[in-house]
Amino acid sequence: DAGVTQSPTHLIKTRGQHVTLRCSPISGHKSVSWYQQVLGQGPQFIFQYYEKEERGRGNFPDRFSARQFPNYSSELNVNALLLGDSALYLCASSFGGQLGETQYFGPGTRLLVL
Amino acid sequence: EDQVTQSPEALRLQEGESSSLNCSYTVSGLRGLFWYRQDPGKGPEFLFTLYSAGEEKEKERLKATLTKKESFLHITAPKPEDSATYLCAVQSAGSNYKLTFGKGTLLTVNP
Repeated sequence: DAGVTQSPTHLIKTRGQHVTLRCSPISGHKSVSWYQQVLGQGPQFIFQYYEKEERGRGNFPDRFSARQFPNYSSELNVNALLLGDSALYLCASSFGGQLGETQYFGPGTRLLVL
Repeated sequence: EDQVTQSPEALRLQEGESSSLNCSYTVSGLRGLFWYRQDPGKGPEFLFTLYSAGEEKEKERLKATLTKKESFLHITAPKPEDSATYLCAVQSAGSNYKLTFGKGTLLTVNP
């Protein structure tokens, strides 16, 4: 069975540009979460979506936004990119998005902002 | 606010030399403690979920245990392929559905 998939795998952007990252959850999973991981740190929570509704948001600026589609796939959008946005962006899926459910991570998208 | 501290930051072992990684946590109303393995440049790979103090889970050379304040990941007779960063994360009742991660322990197993 396919796990969580993310695209693209790598991306290079310049400051001020916009980026869209995509995620497809494990088949049957209805919840998607997004995390940012900078080198040497653990992942930091950005958003959780369940059934197209935002259920949780981390401490990230409004430049970060996301949405979930009827097929449960998701997009993360980042506007006005800063150098500090360079990181590995991880998508995780879980069945129902409930507290205590295991979240399964995708391979990530490596974003470099120049 | 949930907090997770992992120690040591880095650990070097010889093949076959058993050891333990520590994850200390502070939460209000634990809903789950999760262990993941992460290889360089890749996404975290799920290992274990623990829910209550006293719970233990095993998988091959790994065993995870949980108390009210910390969790241990015991590695028995490690092999070079066990080399990776091991991440601990918690989720609490007031977590807004997020996982709070520690910084991880970088494990290197030499042949």
